[in-house]
Amino acid sequence: DTAVSQTPKYLVTQMGNDKSIKCEQNLGHDTMYWYKQDSKKFLKIMFSYNNKELIINETVPNRFSPKSPDKAHLNLHINSLELGDSAVYFCASSPPSGGRTDTQYFGPGTRLTVL
Amino acid sequence: AQSVTQPDIHITVSEGASLELRCNYSYGATPYLFWYVQSPGQGLQLLLKYFSGDTLVQGIKGFEAEFKRSQSSFNLRKPSVHWSDAAEYFCAVGGGGNKLTFGTGTQLKVEL
Repeated sequence: DTAVSQTPKYLVTQMGNDKSIKCEQNLGHDTMYWYKQDSKKFLKIMFSYNNKELIINETVPNRFSPKSPDKAHLNLHINSLELGDSAVYFCASSPPSGGRTDTQYFGPGTRLTVL
Repeated sequence: AQSVTQPDIHITVSEGASLELRCNYSYGATPYLFWYVQSPGQGLQLLLKYFSGDTLVQGIKGFEAEFKRSQSSFNLRKPSVHWSDAAEYFCAVGGGGNKLTFGTGTQLKVEL
């Protein structure tokens, strides 16, 4: 059984388009995350949701909008795509931990290429 | 602010040789430390983690790491590397608030 799944795995699109990436976890976790991994493999957190509430919002352009319809899903919508948005986007989730950092379980990633 | 430094961008070892990947962290309180591995085209998989207690932590695939508070380090070791260990390795630090900060990664190549 897939624990954290993302769709699509690959996404190729033109500059200026709007696209969404979906993430689902079946681990029963309360907290979900979106990370961006650039071409140099640097991994940086973008957003975190806990029980559908936004708790971490790093300095990400407001073209990026996460949406959590329920605690098992965290989708990422990107408006007006730019060349610099090309990266691998990872979704992750973690169990309840009383506010401290706990193990994060990662999805397989979505490779976004903006042409 | 928390940060992680992985000073080695690339490391090449021969199969069967021992391995040590370095990680130094900066965090104002007791850190929670993690090592993740990323195989090509894959997501990140947890190798091991340190929260408290014994400073030598055992993980999966024969890996271990040692937390040294005096050196702000959490180096990853394996006594005998296998060709399938070739991957990207990430050290991460966290504290309160579910935020993980990752290092820039070390790419491991294994020569047969």
